[in-house]
Amino acid sequence: AQSVTQLGSHVSVSEGALVLLRCNYSSSVPPYLFWYVQYPNQGLQLLLKYTTGATLVKGINGFEAEFKKSETSFHLTKPSAHMSDAAEYFCAVTTNAGKSTFGDGTTLTVKP
Amino acid sequence: DTGVSQNPRHKITKRGQNVTFRCDPISEHNRLYWYRQTLGQGPEFLTYFQNEAQLEKSRLLSDRFSAERPKGSFSTLEIQRTEQGDSAMYLCASSLGEGGQPQHFGDGTRLSIL
Repeated sequence: AQSVTQLGSHVSVSEGALVLLRCNYSSSVPPYLFWYVQYPNQGLQLLLKYTTGATLVKGINGFEAEFKKSETSFHLTKPSAHMSDAAEYFCAVTTNAGKSTFGDGTTLTVKP
Repeated sequence: DTGVSQNPRHKITKRGQNVTFRCDPISEHNRLYWYRQTLGQGPEFLTYFQNEAQLEKSRLLSDRFSAERPKGSFSTLEIQRTEQGDSAMYLCASSLGEGGQPQHFGDGTRLSIL
């Protein structure tokens, strides 16, 4: 069984500030981990993924995430928030068969 | 890569009616997934196909739900005798290969039950 917990359903930052969105997972096998972003009335878009190898993963739009096995975490960060980053963010853990379990999401608000 | 296409984008229907949604995946993708998303929650897995074979169904998928993927191309999700609780966004995704590959999502079909 696998599960995902996203700490903080809402995060608010000022434009230019650090963005940190937290994700902890539970998986009985080595996980594949993903972050997706969702804009209103749209599907999910891939930000980045961790499969194997380097634990610091870089994604699109300046986002990155670090896989920490000992902490079962995969937190998403961005050094400087932009207004266009305002959206909902989902962390997901996926089995080798491709079945994904998503967290409940974190809504990011960026204040001018 | 034309992306995953879902139709219709919105469906409003009366309780008790049947509805059918269509998903056209990215053409070379062999895996296709259906998810349901309600407000304030992440997508919940419903079912997935590898080519034309339906490999797994969630217990969320009651007997009123059925999905097909004839010839391993497009897929349909049908809900019979709709109920208020079926109101949600239904998302389709496709991928090439197994779990390490990201899923590409369509924009979803929003179902509203009157």
